[in-house]
Amino acid sequence: SYELTQAPSVSVSPGQTATITCSGDKLGEKNVCWYHRRPGQSPILVIYQDSKRPSGIPERFSGSNSGNTATLTISGTQAMDEADYYCQAWDTSSAHVVFGGGTRLTVL
Amino acid sequence: QVQLQESGPGLVKPSQTLSLTCTVSNDSINSVNYFWSWVRQPAGKGLEWIGRIYISGSTNYNPSLKSRVTILLDTSKSQVSLKVTSVTAADTAVYDCARDGGAVAGKGFDYWGQGTLITVSS
Repeated sequence: SYELTQAPSVSVSPGQTATITCSGDKLGEKNVCWYHRRPGQSPILVIYQDSKRPSGIPERFSGSNSGNTATLTISGTQAMDEADYYCQAWDTSSAHVVFGGGTRLTVL
Repeated sequence: QVQLQESGPGLVKPSQTLSLTCTVSNDSINSVNYFWSWVRQPAGKGLEWIGRIYISGSTNYNPSLKSRVTILLDTSKSQVSLKVTSVTAADTAVYDCARDGGAVAGKGFDYWGQGTLITVSS
């Protein structure tokens, strides 16, 4: 079955740029979404179709997807961005949604 | 503002069937533009997609759960239901329902319920 791989954790200083990656076989040929989830809260969609931001998501969130890697970039990271981040794609071969294992972003 | 609200028993005994309901407000569950999905997250672990349903009744399920899962749509009540049979401790998780704009097209899950914790224990 299709798998998406994420690093377990990423740390960044406030105001710096955080980069979170998601890798999978030929991932660039799929549409990737990104979510963040803070403890006790529902997940929030921050990027869809690789690089589009839903209404209400700050411009500091951006995404890209090419080759085998999708990337979520958070510019000018703020303390409120500290959360678990998940990538998501569709596995065409088995017709189901796949999530990455998640990356915990720590803003130090 | 679309609202989704999960409801369920909280505690289920091993080998029994887990039943959850998601009530959708301020949106049409009949819309041809969306699927309705269930996602779960065990404590300390990542998100796991369970399955989804479309207004036509068409469903897709996670292959790892397919043999134990059923998702149904009740348009008269604006509800999506989830049943998981033969539960074990591994099914203990926070269960969320979410509106799915179309995973193939990469539209994502744009609205989520608040989640409900289900514990499997005797």
